[in-house]
Amino acid sequence: NAGVTQTPKFQVLKTGQSMTLQCAQDMNHEYMSWYRQDPGMGLRLIHYSVGAGITDQGEVPNGYNVSRSTTEDFPLRLLSAAPSQTSVYFCASRAQGTRSGANVLTFGAGSRLTVL
Amino acid sequence: GQSLEQPSEVTAVEGAIVQINCTYQTSGFYGLSWYQQHDGGAPTFLSYNGLDGLEETGRFSSFLSRSDSYGYLLLQELQMKDSASYFCAVRDRATYNQGGKLIFGQGTELSVKP
Repeated sequence: NAGVTQTPKFQVLKTGQSMTLQCAQDMNHEYMSWYRQDPGMGLRLIHYSVGAGITDQGEVPNGYNVSRSTTEDFPLRLLSAAPSQTSVYFCASRAQGTRSGANVLTFGAGSRLTVL
Repeated sequence: GQSLEQPSEVTAVEGAIVQINCTYQTSGFYGLSWYQQHDGGAPTFLSYNGLDGLEETGRFSSFLSRSDSYGYLLLQELQMKDSASYFCAVRDRATYNQGGKLIFGQGTELSVKP
């Protein structure tokens, strides 16, 4: 099982450039989310989705867009990158409701982004 | 909103027992979870407490007291490979109908010494 797959693993951007971090899961999970992790700041929720066509903001949504056109994919878009967005980004998914595993979040391997 | 507090660092020796505490403030939540993250890796699920009390999984146990807004992760028979960061997390009750987003504490870095 592939689980949660993130691409790219590493990316360097210049200020003002745009890019999309890809996330795909093959576990038929309804819930998907994006976190960023900075030293000493833990994992902070950026955006999340409970199913295709439904997204909502987390703790730190500014500067990021998401969409959920399919159950499998949940891309994160940076429209105009800033140095403050230098971070490690994790995509994570879980089952919803009362399904087995609804309390277990499965993470991708992470994407390390540097904005110069 | 929600906030979770846990110690930033804990040090212990091999074979010892260590407890990592987590206190939280939230308007309501569905359970307390714990995740482990090794340096450079992704967080992985360790345990979940939906009800008050102790949950045991091998060398790891987790405890929840809703009345005290408090939980802890207990690691027994520490091994060098347990050196990692440990995060507590709560699933938000207020947004349950919208998915119940999971909010994490800032993490506790555990160092296990020989």
